[in-house]
Amino acid sequence: GQNIDQPTEMTATEGAIVQINCTYQTSGFNGLFWYQQHAGEAPTFLSYNVLDGLEEKGRFSSFLSRSKGYSYLLLKELQMKDSASYLCAVMDSNYQLIWGAGTKLIIKP
Amino acid sequence: DGGITQSPKYLFRKEGQNVTLSCEQNLNHDAMYWYRQDPGQGLRLIYYSQIVNDFQKGDIAEGYSVSREKKESFPLTVTSAQKNPTAFYLCASSTLTGESQPQHFGDGTRLSIL
Repeated sequence: GQNIDQPTEMTATEGAIVQINCTYQTSGFNGLFWYQQHAGEAPTFLSYNVLDGLEEKGRFSSFLSRSKGYSYLLLKELQMKDSASYLCAVMDSNYQLIWGAGTKLIIKP
Repeated sequence: DGGITQSPKYLFRKEGQNVTLSCEQNLNHDAMYWYRQDPGQGLRLIYYSQIVNDFQKGDIAEGYSVSREKKESFPLTVTSAQKNPTAFYLCASSTLTGESQPQHFGDGTRLSIL
């Protein structure tokens, strides 16, 4: 079956760096997406990786290793507004998104 | 501003009642999706549509129905056959399927049973 694994919850300190991991097993691979979702709100698109390596976008970076079925989202200079859930999703061979359960990130002052 | 509008934000359903959730987009996207989100679980696909007057079942279509009479609109009906409808429902759209394009989401509808 298809499976996406992420930690359920993480805690970090304001101003620090945090890495949120995502491992996947899917039927085919057409890219990996990261979304941010604040409680009770819609997910918003953060990043997309289809080739191995690191994609940097401001304070957020995303890494992909297709051979390992592994990605991470790196958040630098954490701010209180970064407290949210972070969703990892993989697009399979049918171009359907398979979603992880999300990682709830708690930022402490 | 272009975007996706879902309504209502909160909805309550009585036993045996069908309810319809609205989703409208003005992004000129071809593809539209309905997801269900439950606590501690990933988004699960209910139905999706790639073109007007055509739609396909997702992983959990039982107890739900949709229509796509206009490109902009993709309403979801939660029927009385859906025995556990309490959840957060998200509508999304994207440019053509068959391409790795991000999906854009509406603000969601939270459905509860009275």
